[in-house]
Amino acid sequence: NAGVTQTPKFRVLKTGQSMTLLCAQDMNHEYMYWYRQDPGMGLRLIHYSVGEGTTAKGEVPDGYNVSRLKKQNFLLGLESAAPSQTSVYFCASSLLGGTGGGKLFFGSGTQLSVL
Amino acid sequence: GDSVTQMEGPVTLSEEAFLTINCTYTATGYPSLFWYVQYPGEGLQLLLKATKADDKGSNKGFEATYRKETTSFHLEKGSVQVSDSAVYFCALSADYKLSFGAGTTVTVRA
Repeated sequence: NAGVTQTPKFRVLKTGQSMTLLCAQDMNHEYMYWYRQDPGMGLRLIHYSVGEGTTAKGEVPDGYNVSRLKKQNFLLGLESAAPSQTSVYFCASSLLGGTGGGKLFFGSGTQLSVL
Repeated sequence: GDSVTQMEGPVTLSEEAFLTINCTYTATGYPSLFWYVQYPGEGLQLLLKATKADDKGSNKGFEATYRKETTSFHLEKGSVQVSDSAVYFCALSADYKLSFGAGTTVTVRA
C-alpha cells in the first residue's frame, strides 16, 4: 500500500535555485494539497487541487507554483528559493474535500533547507 | 476566516496520567472537526473526527466532543502511554480544505 509518496525526502538548496517536489497518490483521490509545517505555526496550506487540471491558492501561495496534469500527481515548484522557504513540506490527498469527510492521507514529508 | 486555536505546548506527562488538549474554533458555518496526530518522523494521520454538534469522536482511547455552545473540541485520554508521545493537531473543514491549529507536542515519560 503506497498511499501518498513524496520525493525527495531531503533537499538542500542555495538561495535563488529552483526545484520541484513531486507528490504521487495511488488511491484515485480527487483532492490534493500541499502544506508547509513550521515550528509554532502548525500546517499552512500552500496550494490545493480539486481535480485533474485544476489548482487553487491556499493561505501562503507566494513563491510557489503547482501543477496537476495527471490525477495521481501534484507537483510543487519553487522558482527562486529563499531562506524563508526552509520548512517541512507535506503533501496530502483525500477522496472527499474538507466538508465531505475530511480524512486526509499524508505523505511522510520533505525537509527542505535553503541556504 | 475559519480557524482553530489550540493550547500551546509542550505538554509532559507521566505514564497513566490524564491528558487534555484544548481546542476552540471560529467558523461562519457548521464545520466538521478533527484531531490529527503526527508521530516522530511521520506525516499526519487522522485520529478522530466529529461532523456535527454533540457528536463524540473516539479512537485509541482518545475522545473529543463537538461543543457548539462553547465552540470547542477538546481532546482527552484517561491514561496515556509512552507510545502516545506525538504532536496533536486540531483541525476544521472549510470548503474543500482543512485548517489546522499550531499543534501541541505531548511527551509521555515512563
